[in-house]
Amino acid sequence: DAKTTQPPSMDCAEGRAANLPCNHSTISGNEYVYWYRQIHSQGPQYIIHGLKNNETNEMASLIITEDRKSSTLILPHATLRDTAVYYCIVSRSQGAQKLVFGQGTRLTINP
Amino acid sequence: DTEVTQTPKHLVMGMTNKKSLKCEQHMGHRAMYWYKQKAKKPPELMFVYSYEKLSINESVPSRFSPECPNSSLLNLHLHALQPEDSALYLCASSQAGLGVEKLFFGSGTQLSVL
Repeated sequence: DAKTTQPPSMDCAEGRAANLPCNHSTISGNEYVYWYRQIHSQGPQYIIHGLKNNETNEMASLIITEDRKSSTLILPHATLRDTAVYYCIVSRSQGAQKLVFGQGTRLTINP
Repeated sequence: DTEVTQTPKHLVMGMTNKKSLKCEQHMGHRAMYWYKQKAKKPPELMFVYSYEKLSINESVPSRFSPECPNSSLLNLHLHALQPEDSALYLCASSQAGLGVEKLFFGSGTQLSVL
């Protein structure tokens, strides 16, 4: 599976959009980009995934560059409850997953 | 029900003890996972079961023994652990179907080995 690179930490003001970047330059054609987050003392939580097109759900938006070598997770109106470690993971689809977590980005939402 | 339940939430054991961690899901998922997470580190994959068969073992020491007695249950048997095995042990499940897989995680068992 392709490796990902994320900044170790970011800060964002409450109510503003939080934009979390991820580089995955070695991604292959059948690999998806997944985002998970882990709030302190909890298990990771699925946020969103994408292959080529931009995606949006009730939690976030995912923007994938045309060459698929990088992506950005957008939390449009960050709240204090969005403070967490965010993991960008690249993995193939279908069947049981070998989901390998990188170091992630520790996002702190400030009041 | 989109919940993965792990018991116990906390466990303290000595190096000579035998204990088991339990994980349960009722979402009809056919893949189940064990991850280990040390403080301030990302989760590390240990084992993957697909349709009750062990499909991935990430070279985990034999003192950790997984078991999947049925599609809803996953156990992790612990024996002769070392203090460095102290960590948060996370269980997860996914559909193991033909579509995109989303993993659902439990809240974990915090294990301390004395």
